[in-house]
Amino acid sequence: DVKVTQSSRYLVKRTGEKVFLECVQDMDHENMFWYRQDPGLGLRLIYFSYDVKMKEKGDIPEGYSVSREKKERFSLILESASTNQTSMYLCASSPGNMDNSPLHFGNGTRLTVT
Amino acid sequence: GQNIDQPTEMTATEGAIVQINCTYQTSGFNGLFWYQQHAGEAPTFLSYNVLDGLEEKGRFSSFLSRSKGYSYLLLKELQMKDSASYLCAVLDSNYQLIWGAGTKLIIKP
Repeated sequence: DVKVTQSSRYLVKRTGEKVFLECVQDMDHENMFWYRQDPGLGLRLIYFSYDVKMKEKGDIPEGYSVSREKKERFSLILESASTNQTSMYLCASSPGNMDNSPLHFGNGTRLTVT
Repeated sequence: GQNIDQPTEMTATEGAIVQINCTYQTSGFNGLFWYQQHAGEAPTFLSYNVLDGLEEKGRFSSFLSRSKGYSYLLLKELQMKDSASYLCAVLDSNYQLIWGAGTKLIIKP
């Protein structure tokens, strides 16, 4: 069974802080994704990666960066946290490129920026 | 633009049947997913449709009409544990997922 693990369930950070959200998957999946989920909105894609050291911008990359140094790990970085980045962040993975496999999600990190 | 529409909230009674609709307008189509998300938890995969018709999986069924840009998720013999949000997502021509805002389903005894 695929397991996607996000390092923190809840985080509280101050405006201007650098924030790292970590995600690890254990099924050798090629694809990894970072989404944010806000009430009344669909999941919005921040960044994704189809391979190690590869990254692509999603729909809302501003204020975020990512790192994928190893296949199993995909990190989301908020360079200087702002209150409008208060949200639920979901990491997901799937097996291969350009495929229709379902996503496997982590349990999410609820980030509050004060 | 690309758009997925689904009702914000629905209420149904334990033991009954409920149909959650999803309409979409996307750049191309490579399939439609339904996910279930309990409050505070990760979305989990329910179904995938790429051809027209009904796919049945136990108490849950999913229907697709590509010509109408329409899908529904049918839940039978509702149980209290079915209280959750149901997310519709379409895979577009670039194999990017477009997500609806989700339908919160409330089950009453």
